[in-house]
Amino acid sequence: DSGVTQTPKHLITATGQRVTLRCSPRSGDLSVYWYQQSLDQGLQFLIQYYNGEERAKGNILERFSAQQFPDLHSELNLSSLELGDSALYFCASSVVGQTYEQYFGPGTRLTVT
Amino acid sequence: GNSVTQMEGPVTLSEEAFLTINCTYTATGYPSLFWYVQYPGEGLQLLLKATKADDKGSNKGFEATYRKETTSFHLEKGSVQVSDSAVYFCALTGTSYGKLTFGQGTILTVHP
Repeated sequence: DSGVTQTPKHLITATGQRVTLRCSPRSGDLSVYWYQQSLDQGLQFLIQYYNGEERAKGNILERFSAQQFPDLHSELNLSSLELGDSALYFCASSVVGQTYEQYFGPGTRLTVT
Repeated sequence: GNSVTQMEGPVTLSEEAFLTINCTYTATGYPSLFWYVQYPGEGLQLLLKATKADDKGSNKGFEATYRKETTSFHLEKGSVQVSDSAVYFCALTGTSYGKLTFGQGTILTVHP
């Protein structure tokens, strides 16, 4: 158990809908990262937050947004969903810095039908 | 930008065989290097890491050495077990606040 929790574990929804994925980091970790894992794109970095502020952005679509709350949990919002958004979405947390390892949650599997 | 290239898989071995999974990288500056493992239906777990040239990371019998001259971080294990069957990802963090850049992953299957 990494100490990072994600809910829900599975999500099935229809095209055009909006969903929210939730992540709680390990106790004491201020930095949260979101990654998308799909068969065609592999593991891709989406966005990072540190202590409530956006720190880095990757290949995140404009239809996707995220935030980190004062209690440090984070939410990833996906809107106007398309079939191609079906993927595993992972959250990770760490002490900030490039030498510090990231601890991953179990992921949320999103299926868009 | 940064990139990581892993050997093509899948890799199929018999129990107690020697394992090598090749990983090379392209990065500016001095990245930190990681191997993560993903068991079926689970999230990623950190297997080992190295933060500077010539460092050797090791864990659970797995080893990898940070080779700056060849920009490589190959994963090795002397004797694999069935329980090592998983997907292995090589990854690096550059200078951009620690975001990970992953290789494409290598599926390892170990038969009894």
